[in-house]
Amino acid sequence: QQQVKQSPQSLIVQKGGISIINCAYENTAFDYFPWYQQFPGKGPALLIAIRPDVSEKKEGRFTISFNKSAKQFSLHIMDSQPGDSATYFCAASIRANAGGTSYGKLTFGQGTILTVHP
Amino acid sequence: KAGVTQTPRYLIKTRGQQVTLSCSPISGHRSVSWYQQTPGQGLQFLFEYFSETQRNKGNFPGRFSGRQFSNSRSEMNVSTLELGDSALYLCASSFSGVHEQYFGPGTRLTVT
Repeated sequence: QQQVKQSPQSLIVQKGGISIINCAYENTAFDYFPWYQQFPGKGPALLIAIRPDVSEKKEGRFTISFNKSAKQFSLHIMDSQPGDSATYFCAASIRANAGGTSYGKLTFGQGTILTVHP
Repeated sequence: KAGVTQTPRYLIKTRGQQVTLSCSPISGHRSVSWYQQTPGQGLQFLFEYFSETQRNKGNFPGRFSGRQFSNSRSEMNVSTLELGDSALYLCASSFSGVHEQYFGPGTRLTVT
């Protein structure tokens, strides 16, 4: 019930291409879905987040698409650049009715290693 | 605002020893969550503290403990270290625990 499944494990894209990473969740109580970007030797950095009352959110070259009925969400990176090469994590948490076992807890996908070739 | 800081950044310990890691949250944030990151298990939630109280705990043995001080700074302690405790330990700060979480750079713990 608490799992978040992420795919693919790794992704290679040419500069200027579109990178797409997918996540699926099981717990319908999740109502906040952030994406994090992590470079080697650094902590994860919050990239963009979405709530289930919105089907799409765009910030610059990054877009989250959300399908509530399918319990899936995805990250699209447009015009991918070599500087985007990093590990990306999707996550989910409970915010609106947080309590007990949901306070301060993000449930993460396994991560996707993105490599953008110049 | 300054970001989340963690000390030390790197640590090497011997099996059986104990270790204490420190985290200073973003100013004004009262919630601190701790995570363990390993190649095999990914990012796993350890526990969360808010106003000096542990509100939530993940599925880790009792050897993993933590505390939070009145200035919101937090420490986590691992006793009787095992080889499998080698990991990157991350803390994340949030305004209340249900808002956005911002991560520190982590402490890389190696147990030999």
